[in-house]
Amino acid sequence: DVVMSQSPLSLSVTLGQPASISCRSSQSLVYGDGNTYLNWFQQRPGQSPRRLIYKVSNRDSGVPDRFSGSGSGTNFTLKISRVEAEDVGVYYCMQGTHWPPFTFGPGTKVDIK
Amino acid sequence: EVRLVESGGGLVQPGGSLRLSCAASGFTFGNSAMGWVRQAPGKGLEWVSTVSGPGISTYYADSVKGRFTISRDNSKNTLYLQMHSLRTEDTAVYYCAKEAWEWMVVGDYDFWGQGTLVTVSS
Repeated sequence: DVVMSQSPLSLSVTLGQPASISCRSSQSLVYGDGNTYLNWFQQRPGQSPRRLIYKVSNRDSGVPDRFSGSGSGTNFTLKISRVEAEDVGVYYCMQGTHWPPFTFGPGTKVDIK
Repeated sequence: EVRLVESGGGLVQPGGSLRLSCAASGFTFGNSAMGWVRQAPGKGLEWVSTVSGPGISTYYADSVKGRFTISRDNSKNTLYLQMHSLRTEDTAVYYCAKEAWEWMVVGDYDFWGQGTLVTVSS
């Protein structure tokens, strides 16, 4: 199974400051069709997960442009350019290249300092 | 507007059974693979199972293989998860989720339901 790791596991950020979350996979996530199925999900307190970024760097409709995804192969990053109060929650990366099983990272909890 | 509404959760004793449902609307249900993802209290997300759009192909996490069965009724736009031999470690919120790409299975879930809580306890 592909193991997904994230760092840090917890992040306390001052409003308006940037934040960065790293996600690493135990194998390259490049799929046979040339795509890399690495997604980022946000889960606000008490809510369902919401997809933010798909295929490494594509932002979902309605996601603020302060969120961006990058990376390749086994190393990926989610960046928030200026953290806002509504960004509090847990962020998960997930791979869909080598399955079953689809695997999630352990999550990174973001709160406001 | 895509909507996914889960139901069927509740309290069940160890060894018991439960069937979850997920009513879908707002998209061509039969064209999209669907999955179940669970979250134990205070824990992270765990993929449980996926079924292809036509319902022919099914996939399971090792932790539930042989105990859970995923299925779908495309005429009713409804996804199911039949759970048998439930264990305390199956206690979780169960989310149904829609694959983003028609006819593909890549675990790319663009819409999620609100979840239904399953509690396995004596």
